[in-house]
Amino acid sequence: EEQLLESGGGLVQPGGSLRLSCEGSGFTFSGYAMSWVRQVPGKGLEWVSGISSRGSAAYYADSVKGRFTVSRDNSKNTLFLQIDSLRVDDTAVYYCAKFELYHAPGFDPWGQGTLVTVSS
Amino acid sequence: DIQMTQSPSSLSASVGDKVTITCRASQVIRYDLGWYQQKPGKPPKRLIYGASSLQSGVPSRFSGSGSGTQFTLTISSLQPEDFATYFCLQHNSYPYTFGQGTKVEIK
Repeated sequence: EEQLLESGGGLVQPGGSLRLSCEGSGFTFSGYAMSWVRQVPGKGLEWVSGISSRGSAAYYADSVKGRFTVSRDNSKNTLFLQIDSLRVDDTAVYYCAKFELYHAPGFDPWGQGTLVTVSS
Repeated sequence: DIQMTQSPSSLSASVGDKVTITCRASQVIRYDLGWYQQKPGKPPKRLIYGASSLQSGVPSRFSGSGSGTQFTLTISSLQPEDFATYFCLQHNSYPYTFGQGTKVEIK
């Protein structure tokens, strides 16, 4: 069974930093692009960042460009999101998702999410 | 950026009703669209990929149609477990974008 497990969320002060992790299992992690999606509690979903299977290409939403950095370590089946200069409006549940390009295009599965709370 | 306009934002329906949710893309996205269901406290679950293909394990009462800029999710006979929020997501080009969501509530 394909699974994703996020970690690293927590309470942080405005201006602080955080590094989120997402460990994949049950599939060949290095063969798939991955993305981060966030959701303010009670609100809609926002795609935040994506990275190619080998990590050679990264993409960001305008709202996080310059503050967020996505990376991956395929030897450890792990995706990362470095979040710097955190703002109150970055408070959200952060999900990682595997992106399938060919067989069944789109995002599946998703992790359970990790909550990031930015508050003083 | 591609804007996804989803409607309605909410609806009330009864068990057994047919429900239709639409997403309109601001530019052509071919078939690069998925539909997702989300229940409180849970991650999104994919129902439909490629605009009209049913995800394995998803009941056949769910169906998707459309291409280009107009897409529809249909639930043919609403069941109690279908009361949830539904989102569309385009993955044609970065930044990927979601519809605003449709909350399906019990009438």
